[in-house]
Amino acid sequence: AQSVTQPDIHITVSEGASLELRCNYSYGATPYLFWYVQSPGQGLQLLLKYFSGDTLVQGIKGFEAEFKRSQSSFNLRKPSVHWSDAAEYFCAVGEKYGNKLVFGAGTILRVKS
Amino acid sequence: DTAVSQTPKYLVTQMGNDKSIKCEQNLGHDTMYWYKQDSKKFLKIMFSYNNKELIINETVPNRFSPKSPDKAHLNLHINSLELGDSAVYFCASSQASRGTDTQYFGPGTRLTVL
Repeated sequence: AQSVTQPDIHITVSEGASLELRCNYSYGATPYLFWYVQSPGQGLQLLLKYFSGDTLVQGIKGFEAEFKRSQSSFNLRKPSVHWSDAAEYFCAVGEKYGNKLVFGAGTILRVKS
Repeated sequence: DTAVSQTPKYLVTQMGNDKSIKCEQNLGHDTMYWYKQDSKKFLKIMFSYNNKELIINETVPNRFSPKSPDKAHLNLHINSLELGDSAVYFCASSQASRGTDTQYFGPGTRLTVL
């Protein structure tokens, strides 16, 4: 069965610093991969997704992620974090049919000034 | 012009009661979902409907019954509420049920069972 691991429960970065959030997945076939962001009290918003092709994908709000099949990873990056990026970030793997998403446990990002 | 809306936003009730959460999407999507986010923020799919037909039914107690009166609505009815049902319930929708279809989430309903 597919699964997603986000090793870091909390991450704190300084405003303006770079960010990398880790995500590892387990899936038998070519995975569909997603990153969502959840601000306090809000629903989830899609940041970016990977289905095939270029392994470096660009998303909204200046985020990008790189799919590395050899490492079963899909890490999220941002070169310069803004205070408004403070939120919880969820990595997810999706099935080709049925569109069932399996989420990781999330990483809470704190941004310090 | 909210894309995916849920009512109510907060729901506080006693153990043993029956309650419903409503979800509506105005995106013209064919597929809708219910997810449960527990106290540890772990998000897990419960159900999925495509064109009013159930396509995903995870291991969920049969006290939970989804109902889709039309493609734009997917309601969640919960019988005999238990303490462990306390969670945030998210509705989502997507164009279809292919893995490439982006899911759009509602704001969530926080259910507290006392």
